[in-house]
Amino acid sequence: AQTVTQSQPEMSVQEAETVTLSCTYDTSESDYYLFWYKQPPSRQMILVIRQEAYKQQNATENRFSVNFQKAAKSFSLKISDSQLGDAAMYFCAYRRYSGNTPLVFGKGTRLSVIA
Amino acid sequence: GAGVSQSPSNKVTEKGKDVELRCDPISGHTALYWYRQSLGQGLEFLIYFQGNSAPDKSGLPSDRFSAERTGGSVSTLTIQRTQQEDSAVYLCASSSGTGTEKLFFGSGTQLSVL
Repeated sequence: AQTVTQSQPEMSVQEAETVTLSCTYDTSESDYYLFWYKQPPSRQMILVIRQEAYKQQNATENRFSVNFQKAAKSFSLKISDSQLGDAAMYFCAYRRYSGNTPLVFGKGTRLSVIA
Repeated sequence: GAGVSQSPSNKVTEKGKDVELRCDPISGHTALYWYRQSLGQGLEFLIYFQGNSAPDKSGLPSDRFSAERTGGSVSTLTIQRTQQEDSAVYLCASSSGTGTEKLFFGSGTQLSVL
């Protein structure tokens, strides 16, 4: 079974600084998707960024980028120029490439942004 | 609708009572998921519906939990004889089911069992 591990329960960052959230996963599949979701206090999960495992290029969405290391099964999220609105729970998730299979989530990292 | 809608937003119940949680997915979305988020935990998969196929119930924690999806749209998650350990946020998500991997989530139902 696939597992996703987030080893940092809590992180903090100064406004305008950069922070990296860690995620590792375990799978025997060669094709899959990886995601970072943000959950603000409203509870609604918001997709931040996604990566297809067959793509070597790291995904980027504005201030958010990932460092995808397939061999190491590592998928970290970098947030640049952190803003107060970035404060939230961040979840790393894995999904098999084929079919509408459920996402497998890590336990999350709570990010605080200090003004 | 414009997004995934869940009701109620919050539910307080007494131990032993039955509860029903509702999810209204995005119109046209054929795939629907239920997840449970306990305090300090990640999201735990419960059940998945895809079109007219038999649901994937592999994540349901006990036979007290059941779910149905009527007319391929609205889904109801039922918890019978609630226990205190059932207290959690129950999240619903839907997707277009065309092979796209993006899930759209509702804001969840916070269930508190006293």
